[in-house]
Amino acid sequence: DGGITQSPKYLFRKEGQNVTLSCEQNLNHDAMYWYRQDPGQGLRLIYYSQIVNDFQKGDIAEGYSVSREKKESFPLTVTSAQKNPTAFYLCASSIDRGSTQPQHFGDGTRLSIL
Amino acid sequence: GDSVTQMEGPVTLSEEAFLTINCTYTATGYPSLFWYVQYPGEGLQLLLKATKADDKGSNKGFEATYRKETTSFHLEKGSVQVSDSAVYFCALRLNTGGFKTIFGAGTRLFVKA
Repeated sequence: DGGITQSPKYLFRKEGQNVTLSCEQNLNHDAMYWYRQDPGQGLRLIYYSQIVNDFQKGDIAEGYSVSREKKESFPLTVTSAQKNPTAFYLCASSIDRGSTQPQHFGDGTRLSIL
Repeated sequence: GDSVTQMEGPVTLSEEAFLTINCTYTATGYPSLFWYVQYPGEGLQLLLKATKADDKGSNKGFEATYRKETTSFHLEKGSVQVSDSAVYFCALRLNTGGFKTIFGAGTRLFVKA
């Protein structure tokens, strides 16, 4: 079955450390997205990519970086510049590169500070 | 600015009760409207959508009607089940200027047996 796989499910970060969250999809979708989910808030877009080797900043890109070297992979790095990284991170994809409408989501990665 | 407002949760219902989760929006132009559902420990799933005024989206017994005059997209289900316990997100997609998707804060639903 096709879908989105995020790993790890739980991740802990030490102060000053960069961590990378994995997102892989086998849906052959062009567009991929990273969202951050905080309690009591809607999802906020961090970065999105509509095609390989291209990505755009979302609403809260500061302190994060991404790459899109392969169509099926869109890893997110949470850098030490992100001062409040504790959150639930969701990766999503959509077949249509022309819109920012996520269709499929992964099961998320919960990031916490040690 | 463009935004989505949902009723605060949690909403607690008994099995077979009628469900309404209110959603109103503010947007320029004519957005498309969506409901997503998030079951515990999982990502979001698209539940239903409507792309123009008076459209009704439906799926798994849930319905929502795009009401342009009241800028609303309330989610309804006639008889909820325990398995419907989840967080429900209303969202809109702007159909101009980058086609941005904006999510509401989510409403948690608990259904008791």
